[in-house]
Amino acid sequence: QKEVEQNSGPLSVPEGAIASLNCTYSDRVSQSFFWYRQYSGKSPELIMSIYSNGDKEDGRFTAQLNKASQYVSLLIRDSQPSDSATYLCAVSPGGSYIPTFGRGTSLIVHP
Amino acid sequence: DVKVTQSSRYLVKRTGEKVFLECVQDMDHENMFWYRQDPGLGLRLIYFSYDVKMKEKGDIPEGYSVSREKKERFSLILESASTNQTSMYLCASSLSGSNDEQFFGPGTRLTVL
Repeated sequence: QKEVEQNSGPLSVPEGAIASLNCTYSDRVSQSFFWYRQYSGKSPELIMSIYSNGDKEDGRFTAQLNKASQYVSLLIRDSQPSDSATYLCAVSPGGSYIPTFGRGTSLIVHP
Repeated sequence: DVKVTQSSRYLVKRTGEKVFLECVQDMDHENMFWYRQDPGLGLRLIYFSYDVKMKEKGDIPEGYSVSREKKERFSLILESASTNQTSMYLCASSLSGSNDEQFFGPGTRLTVL
């Protein structure tokens, strides 16, 4: 059974710090990796996608993928209170458009 | 921008009622999905569809059915609502391939009394 694991948190960081969110997955043939942000009472929205090993940067967000170790992480630099949300990791195997979601990590950025 | 809309934000129904939840996307996406989201359990896939009139069971299809008569519309049906179906229901769509992100609708908070 494909599994995607995330620490439920909450992860609490001070404003301006780097928040590091981690995700591990069990299916070795996974090819596509996504990070979604979900504010309380709202639906998930995509922040980052990554498909190859290494880092991918977009503004304050950096996704890191290590397929050999089967983990993907999301770094948020200069964290803001508006970043407080639940972050969902999603993983899709090659050839499948159906992702497996982790249960999410709650992030709290305090002023 | 892709837009996914759901027919209701909040819905209250009684046990045994038949419930219809509708989802419409406006970007000609091939794939559509229905999830429910409960605290501590994350997103769980109920049904998905990769083409008109095609449907596949997800992880928790019991008590639900779906209909996709047109490409842009995917309906979730609760034949006889029960209290354990009280949940947040999220519809999503994606273009076609494994590299394609999912776009989510705003969700329907269903309460079954």
